[in-house]
Formats: sequence, structure tokens, C-alpha cells
Amino acid sequence: KQEVTQIPAALSVPEGENLVLNCSFTDSAIYNLQWFRQDPGKGLTSLLLIQSSQREQTSGRLNASLDKSSGRSTLYIAASQPGDSATYLCAVRANDYKLSFGAGTTVTVRA
Amino acid sequence: NAGVTQTPKFQVLKTGQSMTLQCAQDMNHNSMYWYRQDPGMGLRLIYYSASEGTTDKGEVPNGYNVSRLNKREFSLRLESAAPSQTSVYFCASSDIGGSVTEAFFGQGTRLTVV
Repeated sequence: KQEVTQIPAALSVPEGENLVLNCSFTDSAIYNLQWFRQDPGKGLTSLLLIQSSQREQTSGRLNASLDKSSGRSTLYIAASQPGDSATYLCAVRANDYKLSFGAGTTVTVRA
Repeated sequence: NAGVTQTPKFQVLKTGQSMTLQCAQDMNHNSMYWYRQDPGMGLRLIYYSASEGTTDKGEVPNGYNVSRLNKREFSLRLESAAPSQTSVYFCASSDIGGSVTEAFFGQGTRLTVV
């Protein structure tokens, strides 16, 4: 069974600081990995998708890396803003179509 | 482009009542999923449908049934609701293969069982 862990569970930083969010998974036989953002009381918004053959993916201030052999992904958010405050979820898709989620990292960016 | 649409958005049930949560996607995706989200537990897979005509159990299927009505629609039924089923339910869809394999989520159904 795929286990996905996100550390830390919560993070508070001053505005302008770079954010580093970690995701680890136990089974390296994955199809892809996806990072989501969730605002309180809302649904999930897709941020980045990394295919198993890729090492990283970038979108604006966001960069996600994938090291499949070690079972790790890292989401970097540059120059954080108060609007980045949310919960960030990592999800790993196995080859049997299932998406397995971590519990998330709740980020607070202080103005 | 609506993406993934879930109905209802909110629901309160009494213990023992039944209900069906509806989900529809307009992206022509083959795979659809039902998750529940509880505080501190993350999202847990209830059931999924890899393609039209197939359904499989996920991590927490007990107390639920699903129907893949057609390629667009995937419903989740609670036959006899219990307080332990109080949760936020999310439907998702995606494809495997081709150029689009992202998973897209609906806005959720907030269910309270009293």
C-alpha cells in the first residue's frame, strides 16, 4: 500500500521568505505526482503535475522536483505572499490509477 | 467549461437515512474517484472507476456503494447513514495516457449525519 507523508504538518513564515514543502512516498512505482492547493472550506486546485519520467516542473513562482528512486518530491514557492496561505497537498498516482494523498502542510505567510 | 460538478454542496442527514451524492465531469475523462476528507486524515479513497463499466474499492469502502452511470457520471450512495460518515466528500476525474493526466476535483459535498 502506498503511504504518502508530508512534513512539516504546519509552517509559518514571514512574507518574502521562500517556502519548502516536502512529500515522501513509500512505493517508487508511480505514474505521476501532483501538488494541490486547498483553501479553507474549498475544493482542491491543481498546482503542478510531474510525470514519473520528469525531474521537475515549474509554474511561475512554483517549482516542484521529483526523485522517484528515493521516494521524494519537494515543492518550492519563491518569495511567499500572504495569498499563498493555504494547505498544500501532495498526491501520488500508482500504476493502478489510484491517487494516494498526504495529510497536507498548512502554510501561513505573515504580512 | 464546468470541469467536475458535485451535488448537493451541503446535506444534513439523520442516522439511518439514505442519500446519493452526484458527480459529473465534462472533460471526457475515463477515470473517476470518490474521496472523503476528515480533519487530520487527509483524503482517503472510497471507490474509483478506472473506466466506464468498472468500479473498484478504495481504502474506506464500507457503508458506501457507487454507480458509474455513463462516462460522465459517477454517483456515491450511502444506504444507511451513520455519524461516522460525517465528512467532506470530493469527486475527481482524470485520464491515464495521452497528454492530460491531471486529476481535477469538484468543490465538495459537506455531509453531516446527526
